[in-house]
Amino acid sequence: ETGVTQSPTHLIKTRGQQVTLRCSSQSGHNTVSWYQQALGQGPQFIFQYYREEENGRGNFPPRFSGLQFPNYSSELNVNALELDDSALYLCASSSVGFYEQYFGPGTRLTVT
Amino acid sequence: AQSVAQPEDQVNVAEGNPLTVKCTYSVSGNPYLFWYVQYPNRGLQFLLKYITGDNLVKGSYGFEAEFNKSQTSFHLKKPSALVSDSALYFCAVRAHNSNSGYALNFGKGTSLLVTP
Repeated sequence: ETGVTQSPTHLIKTRGQQVTLRCSSQSGHNTVSWYQQALGQGPQFIFQYYREEENGRGNFPPRFSGLQFPNYSSELNVNALELDDSALYLCASSSVGFYEQYFGPGTRLTVT
Repeated sequence: AQSVAQPEDQVNVAEGNPLTVKCTYSVSGNPYLFWYVQYPNRGLQFLLKYITGDNLVKGSYGFEAEFNKSQTSFHLKKPSALVSDSALYFCAVRAHNSNSGYALNFGKGTSLLVTP
């Protein structure tokens, strides 16, 4: 198991609502990335944070936003939820100078 | 754009037999390649990576991967499969451009089933 933790484990929301997912990175890691994994698909990159700044973004609309805190933990916020937002959301931490990313167990979001 | 392709949705192998899970890549410049494994209802676990150097990379749980530049492939292998190796395997390539930071671009995954 990695040292990356995510909360909550599962979440059910209604279309149009807003949701916040949380991630604590592995000790010593200063970079956090978020991915969306739809059922039967590979993870898709949402965005990455380094030293509290967004360091890169995938093809996701602005209603997906994030934060990184001074302790390198992170939040993913999704506004105006849509049914297609139902997925497993994965957080991964890494450190500058290392290439691999270490993933948390994910948050399963269901939008009804 | 940097991408990987996993041509097989599922690979079936008998326990004790060698296994191969295929991955091909498309990148501009030198590729940084990775394999991850995902067990049901779990996050992804890092298995191994190729950055530079020896074309045969050894990783966790007895897995290894062979980098082949001429064939643009990075196949995952294990000499003797275990039933516990049954899982979903993802190949990934690291993007590095001004828009994507150090994002990983994943393939669609290959389901490995090892039968007793």
